[in-house]
Amino acid sequence: DTGVSQNPRHKITKRGQNVTFRCDPISEHNRLYWYRQTLGQGPEFLTYFQNEAQLEKSRLLSDRFSAERPKGSFSTLEIQRTEQGDSAMYLCASATGTSAYEQYFGPGTRLTVT
Amino acid sequence: DQQVKQNSPSLSVQEGRISILNCDYTNSMFDYFLWYKKYPAEGPTFLISISSIKDKNEDGRFTVFLNKSAKHLSLHIVPSQPGDSAVYFCAPSSGYALNFGKGTSLLVTP
Repeated sequence: DTGVSQNPRHKITKRGQNVTFRCDPISEHNRLYWYRQTLGQGPEFLTYFQNEAQLEKSRLLSDRFSAERPKGSFSTLEIQRTEQGDSAMYLCASATGTSAYEQYFGPGTRLTVT
Repeated sequence: DQQVKQNSPSLSVQEGRISILNCDYTNSMFDYFLWYKKYPAEGPTFLISISSIKDKNEDGRFTVFLNKSAKHLSLHIVPSQPGDSAVYFCAPSSGYALNFGKGTSLLVTP
């Protein structure tokens, strides 16, 4: 069990650029989640996949954000035309179907928009 | 509006004593309650959970208590150890998403 991995761990980009993050969940987990955490706050839910289907999206996920999980394995989160307010830690988590509440988190990708 | 509140941003406890971390929630649809621990530069780590049909769950040094009528839960750590120093998040759920509080930073001093 290698745990949930996320790449890159850090990303610095200029405002207006596009960025893409990758998440590799625990191999037998069919559920995958994206959260965003800003300074002094707890993680906030962004979106949820069961296998390759995106089943829920938060209102926090504006039109500039898109997430995919093409083969039900890894997932990508893309932010287009980044804004300074997008600076945050982006966390990915995965869970099994039988114990969906217990989500296992990756180390996160810290995005800084300058 | 904040559905989950952890009103103590920080807590300092001596090694060997009990640590009590509190969490209040407003959403009566929450049916599962989890606690996560987070060290700097790492993602949150699942610690312990409780279903809404129970009022207590114990796992080693960690016990979670749930008072549904008061919409309150607490995490007890006894005895506290320096390695327990971390940020603790309460995270209730009513389905797929976890709803995190702002966290309580626990410092256990030798």
